[in-house]
Amino acid sequence: GQNIDQPTEMTATEGAIVQINCTYQTSGFNGLFWYQQHAGEAPTFLSYNVLDGLEEKGRFSSFLSRSKGYSYLLLKELQMKDSASYLCAPMDSNYQLIWGAGTKLIIKP
Amino acid sequence: GAVVSQHPSWVICKSGTSVKIECRSLDFQATTMFWYRQFPKQSLMLMATSNEGSKATYEQGVEKDKFLINHASLTLSTLTVTSAHPEDSSFYICSARAGTTELYEQYFGPGTRLTVT
Repeated sequence: GQNIDQPTEMTATEGAIVQINCTYQTSGFNGLFWYQQHAGEAPTFLSYNVLDGLEEKGRFSSFLSRSKGYSYLLLKELQMKDSASYLCAPMDSNYQLIWGAGTKLIIKP
Repeated sequence: GAVVSQHPSWVICKSGTSVKIECRSLDFQATTMFWYRQFPKQSLMLMATSNEGSKATYEQGVEKDKFLINHASLTLSTLTVTSAHPEDSSFYICSARAGTTELYEQYFGPGTRLTVT
């Protein structure tokens, strides 16, 4: 079957760095997306990885290891507005995004 | 960037009535649009995928006669919840994919919160 595994909740301090891990099992693989979702709002696109390695975009970086079925999202210089849920969504062989429940990130001052 | 709008942003309706939700891609042509439903603290659940000019493909367990989807143009898709019941109360989100390849990211609308009384 298809499965996404992310921590349910994480807490970090403003200004710090946090890494949100994601392991996945899908029927085929066509890349992996990370989305941010604030409470009561729709998801917004953060990153897309299709090849192994690290993609850096400002304060956010995303890493992928296809052989391990593993990805992480790294958030640097945390700000209070980064408090949100972070969704790891791999794309399967049918080009469908597979959604987990996401990781709720709580930022404390 | 790509913008997707949804209307209405929230709606309250009585049980047994129908509600139509519009999803528009404002600055790009969306060859594919997706409709999701999300219950509190749960993951996004894909309801259906629609391509312009063709019938929507519904996910298993989603009643196509209850959730009518019309992808009338490259910028507009509508979801009609027919004979709504309280259990249909949820957050409905559409997304649109631009371009002709499968690898383009999905741009999400702001969502519509439906409450059925």
